[in-house]
Amino acid sequence: QVQLQESGPGLVKPSETVSLTCSVSGFSITSDFYWGWVRQPPGKGLEWIGNSHHSGTTYYKSSLKTRVTISMDTSKNQFSLYLSSVTAADTAIYYCTRVDYHSRGYYFAKWFAPWGQGTLVTVSS
Amino acid sequence: QSVLTQPPSVSGAPGQRVTISCTGSSSNVGAGYDVHWYQQLPGTAPKLLIYGNTNRPSGVSDRFSGSKSGTSASLAITGLQAEDEADYFCQSYDTSLSDYVFGPGTKVSV
Repeated sequence: QVQLQESGPGLVKPSETVSLTCSVSGFSITSDFYWGWVRQPPGKGLEWIGNSHHSGTTYYKSSLKTRVTISMDTSKNQFSLYLSSVTAADTAIYYCTRVDYHSRGYYFAKWFAPWGQGTLVTVSS
Repeated sequence: QSVLTQPPSVSGAPGQRVTISCTGSSSNVGAGYDVHWYQQLPGTAPKLLIYGNTNRPSGVSDRFSGSKSGTSASLAITGLQAEDEADYFCQSYDTSLSDYVFGPGTKVSV
């Protein structure tokens, strides 16, 4: 059974880069799935950040792509999120997730399951 | 501002049926992109409830069902129970944004 666990600093200063790691157990990240990050500001809705495949293919939310990098460490079965130049608006619970999919013929429908428990990142000086 | 709209809240008595709508546009739901639904119980991570418009993952109660028509999708909960009190989010893909998008969420009260 696949399980995901996020880790990272709880507090980051404005303008710094936050790095979060997702450790995956029970499933190899080198399988034919994408792995992603979703965040949720306290008391608000969900926001997709990006997806990454072990082949190196990545997709990022258009409004974040200049600040986001997702990398994969297959030797540790982990993947990481790097978000640069953070501001208070980046304060959120960050979730890692596997991106599941099926073919609709004209495109691959993708959804997020399962999810890690989430880690709160607070941006404050 | 999400490109998918959901009612902020719905409520029902135990045993009743409630529905949550997810309305999009011709660049997402109306373009044929699937809608998926998540349940987020208080203080926990979201959990997949429905994928591919109508499919329930293994372990999800058959009291939950999804449908899609045109630019909208719906999640129905029948036999409402106290344990169903949660936030529910729809998700799809938007071709104009080239982003995966979520609805703002609907809080279900029992």
